[in-house]
Amino acid sequence: DQQVKQNSPSLSVQEGRISILNCDYTNSMFDYFLWYKKYPAEGPTFLISISSIKDKNEDGRFTVFLNKSAKHLSLHIVPSQPGDSAVYFCAASAGNQFYFGTGTSLTVIP
Amino acid sequence: NAGVTQTPKFQVLKTGQSMTLQCAQDMNHEYMSWYRQDPGMGLRLIHYSVGAGITDQGEVPNGYNVSRSTTEDFPLRLLSAAPSQTSVYFCASSYILGSPLHFGNGTRLTVT
Repeated sequence: DQQVKQNSPSLSVQEGRISILNCDYTNSMFDYFLWYKKYPAEGPTFLISISSIKDKNEDGRFTVFLNKSAKHLSLHIVPSQPGDSAVYFCAASAGNQFYFGTGTSLTVIP
Repeated sequence: NAGVTQTPKFQVLKTGQSMTLQCAQDMNHEYMSWYRQDPGMGLRLIHYSVGAGITDQGEVPNGYNVSRSTTEDFPLRLLSAAPSQTSVYFCASSYILGSPLHFGNGTRLTVT
């Protein structure tokens, strides 16, 4: 059973607007959450992470929000750029291994 | 700095054949792991290693063997390939267990 779920397989956004990618998890023991970005024919690359002791972490145009009570995290990209078009995976860990979602394909339209 | 290098990029096997997927990293990472990516399933952990000489099973280990004789290399062996092992395989490493992973570019394996 998927412990980390990304319910939106795809998302399209206009250049310059905000992209919001969502992720839900079921295991309350998860204490570390990450987002990865993947271009075709390449491996995923680490984007941003957040520990369960925080509810927000920012890195430039990327912000991750964590709502522990709802077991939900989201990635905000502002402003979105065409180069952000990729598949985004969320991942969660309780210390010994990472569990990945199925990914959301983001298309930023110029 | 090459990072994580996987070979080959593509491979086609017949059912019952064996092969080894190679993975090497040059970042002196202690932790290395193998994932498979299947449609609708996300990335699933096959095996991992927290250091040379130490390996352990992940979520989907059946049909795969690993060994870690050096810090740099972590090969994945398929002893008798099955069509269910058709997938994209990613090797990943990190400084220590639990820190963000660095992925290779993947091996696309087809078993007919």
